[in-house]
Amino acid sequence: DTGVSQNPRHKITKRGQNVTFRCDPISEHNRLYWYRQTLGQGPEFLTYFQNEAQLEKSRLLSDRFSAERPKGSFSTLEIQRTEQGDSAMYLCASTFVDGEKLFFGSGTQLSVL
Amino acid sequence: RKEVEQDPGPFNVPEGATVAFNCTYSNSASQSFFWYRQDCRKEPKLLMSVYSSGNEDGRFTAQLNRASQYISLLIRDSKLSDSATYLCVVNAGGTSYGKLTFGQGTILTVHP
Repeated sequence: DTGVSQNPRHKITKRGQNVTFRCDPISEHNRLYWYRQTLGQGPEFLTYFQNEAQLEKSRLLSDRFSAERPKGSFSTLEIQRTEQGDSAMYLCASTFVDGEKLFFGSGTQLSVL
Repeated sequence: RKEVEQDPGPFNVPEGATVAFNCTYSNSASQSFFWYRQDCRKEPKLLMSVYSSGNEDGRFTAQLNRASQYISLLIRDSKLSDSATYLCVVNAGGTSYGKLTFGQGTILTVHP
């Protein structure tokens, strides 16, 4: 399977716990994006990377959220001290530099109890 | 004001109908524009890019009006399989080039 892979598919956690999600993009893609989507809304931009550099981070994003892409390949998104409002689908997407067709993974569904 | 705004619908149309969706964007420096389709509980997928000259792909026609900062998608001869959420997407320009912002999505249901 050469598509975008996200793990885990589902995560249930208790409020206050930390969670980490992983995204493996399509191997040739330089750009990697993280989005968050709640029911009835479109994907909300969180951050994106070009290779290992984080180019932009949403100003709406709490400092409890951090993302890394240390070797320019896979990426992780960590949420510290989770809150119930963090419950959402977290989507990862990748594309080439100057490519604008995003290839999405199947997402990680987070439920914070 | 949201960066990308869409009428959320839902639009309920019979098979064979023509339906149009609209989208507006706030950043006049935005560089490029797209429509994505998202099926229920699935990830979004690119439907088509949108050009100033307008572009057509089978039953789908996309238009861009830069002066009005307005994007449209027209679906002719609707099929049951067109039922989905349609997402308007804008690539910001300038220093934010590469940041792809999605609208809320417009829900379409095509019924027999």
